[in-house]
Amino acid sequence: DTGVSQDPRHKITKRGQNVTFRCDPISEHNRLYWYRQTLGQGPEFLTYFQNEAQLEKSRLLSDRFSAERPKGSFSTLEIQRTEQGDSAMYLCASSESPNIGYTFGSGTRLTVV
Amino acid sequence: RKEVEQDPGPFNVPEGATVAFNCTYSNSASQSFFWYRQDCRKEPKLLMSVYSSGNEDGRFTAQLNRASQYISLLIRDSKLSDSATYLCAVDSSASKIIFGSGTRLSIRP
Repeated sequence: DTGVSQDPRHKITKRGQNVTFRCDPISEHNRLYWYRQTLGQGPEFLTYFQNEAQLEKSRLLSDRFSAERPKGSFSTLEIQRTEQGDSAMYLCASSESPNIGYTFGSGTRLTVV
Repeated sequence: RKEVEQDPGPFNVPEGATVAFNCTYSNSASQSFFWYRQDCRKEPKLLMSVYSSGNEDGRFTAQLNRASQYISLLIRDSKLSDSATYLCAVDSSASKIIFGSGTRLSIRP
């Protein structure tokens, strides 16, 4: 395990469908983060887990979004009833400590048509 | 006011030039500061952390000015491969970091 893995890399879905993304963090990292990035913007914080506990959620995370990290290892991010405005790159990151920065996965690029 | 602000650029400089970017942050309680590099359609990658005393890594120098609440990145002897977007990141709380919108840098031959 040499990095953060995200699956799928790309997802095209029709408006109204549900989608789920997976993130496998670096194994010794207990902190896991989800961010969303749109063109020309920096990554925007969505949510944060320490082990299996979801400790913070952004106001950007509407009721249609849910994230889990059931055993403190991999995490899933689900978007229900997708909208065109959900089209973005969804980035997962992990870290041992916030003081030493994050390692990002390659991201899942979502396109809602 | 955004928590972290950067000049979006683009900065277009010749190879071999020195270029500097600033980034301002609003949370005076922030303790951790970073510069990330992001290539087109790729994930951000940590370039360097920024320490209170300033730090250098090869051609890259990062500095922190707490009084004025900004951090800076200086790139000396720029290479074509330095062309990328540079993201400033600052801790917003003990749990997360907030990113600026990025500064685009283009190095021309």
